[in-house]
Amino acid sequence: QSVLTQPPAVSGAPGQRVTISCTGSSSNIGAGYDVNWYQQLPGTAPRLLIYGNTNRPSGVPDRFSGSKSGTSASLAITGLQAEDEADYYCQSYDSRLSGSVFGGGTKLTVL
Amino acid sequence: QVQLQQWGAGLLKPSETLSLTCAVYGGSFSDYYWSWIRQPPGKGLEWIGDIDHSGNTIYNPSFKTRVIMSVDTSKNHFSLNLISVTAADTAVYYCARVGFSGIFDYWGQGTLVTVSS
Repeated sequence: QSVLTQPPAVSGAPGQRVTISCTGSSSNIGAGYDVNWYQQLPGTAPRLLIYGNTNRPSGVPDRFSGSKSGTSASLAITGLQAEDEADYYCQSYDSRLSGSVFGGGTKLTVL
Repeated sequence: QVQLQQWGAGLLKPSETLSLTCAVYGGSFSDYYWSWIRQPPGKGLEWIGDIDHSGNTIYNPSFKTRVIMSVDTSKNHFSLNLISVTAADTAVYYCARVGFSGIFDYWGQGTLVTVSS
């Protein structure tokens, strides 16, 4: 059972927009800690996709965007492409754990 | 360009000790915390703990009684030891750099550790 809750799976057709939610609590996202997002392609290590709720590292397409409100955060992907098919994880800090917490991950399927 | 390269035994028997090491190439070793994260087969990511260049550690309470992290600043290496492993510890283990605001900005390639009798 992950501290941050994500939907197990989402899907969309090429060119469409999808969103992935990440729900936390008052000890993590709701406490004001930043949410970061990672993309994990099959058989590879996770890659930082969004940091500080809304920021993209260099090299990440602007089709990816993040937002945060209250105890939740969201990752949006517009103009879906086949190469976006991957697992996506949210991550934050939890004051009860005194460390990092991850969501359970969401598998994105591009139809 | 920062690179993390990790290695360690991939097959263990129950009750043995898991030992992994991660080498850091490029960038500053002393300015960051360094982390271990694992991923059981088909499951999500789980944070194990962090260590800095002085050996200060922060452990996930779920592992606190079994985990020891260490650092060798002469080689820019950091290590994970997990004692008394069971089949539940079977996972891909990753090392990672903890950047500003707790982001994991650089990752090792991952090491599959299987615990089986």
